[in-house]
Amino acid sequence: KAGVTQTPRYLIKTRGQQVTLSCSPISGHRSVSWYQQTPGQGLQFLFEYFSETQRNKGNFPGRFSGRQFSNSRSEMNVSTLELGDSALYLCASSLMAKDNEQFFGPGTRLTVL
Amino acid sequence: QQQVKQSPQSLIVQKGGISIINCAYENTAFDYFPWYQQFPGKGPALLIAIRPDVSEKKEGRFTISFNKSAKQFSLHIMDSQPGDSATYFCAAKAYNFNKFYFGSGTKLNVKP
Repeated sequence: KAGVTQTPRYLIKTRGQQVTLSCSPISGHRSVSWYQQTPGQGLQFLFEYFSETQRNKGNFPGRFSGRQFSNSRSEMNVSTLELGDSALYLCASSLMAKDNEQFFGPGTRLTVL
Repeated sequence: QQQVKQSPQSLIVQKGGISIINCAYENTAFDYFPWYQQFPGKGPALLIAIRPDVSEKKEGRFTISFNKSAKQFSLHIMDSQPGDSATYFCAAKAYNFNKFYFGSGTKLNVKP
């Protein structure tokens, strides 16, 4: 069974631009969560989607948004990029919402110049 | 406010030694405590996890010790190997929310 895939793996953008990251969960998994990982702040929860609905949201500004499609694939969007948005963005999938076991993808490394 | 505090930030252990990483939490609603292992360029991978109704869980060379009254849990890596060199994260989650709170990570270096 294929793992969680994230595209693109690397991305370079400039301040003010917007970016869309994609995540395909493990086949059959319906819950997708997004995390931001930085050296200073560690792993921080962004949001979680289940059945195309956002169920939980972390403490991030409204520039960060996401959505989930009927096939459970998810996208996250960051608008008006800031230098501080440079991070590794990780997607994790689980079978159902409230599942304890999450499986992480390799992440998308975003660099904002 | 950091929900899960992890120490040490970095750890150097000789091959064959015991690596110990500690975490503490505040929220008594947490009921699932996993440890993740992350290698450079990879996403975190679940290593071992525990629920608060047991005080210890062992899987191979990895053991979680859990102290509910102290709100602390720790990861012990026995017979540490160079291949264990990675960053380790503890985390916590409450049943009602599929939202994990992660510790700040411990970079483990096992010297051959």
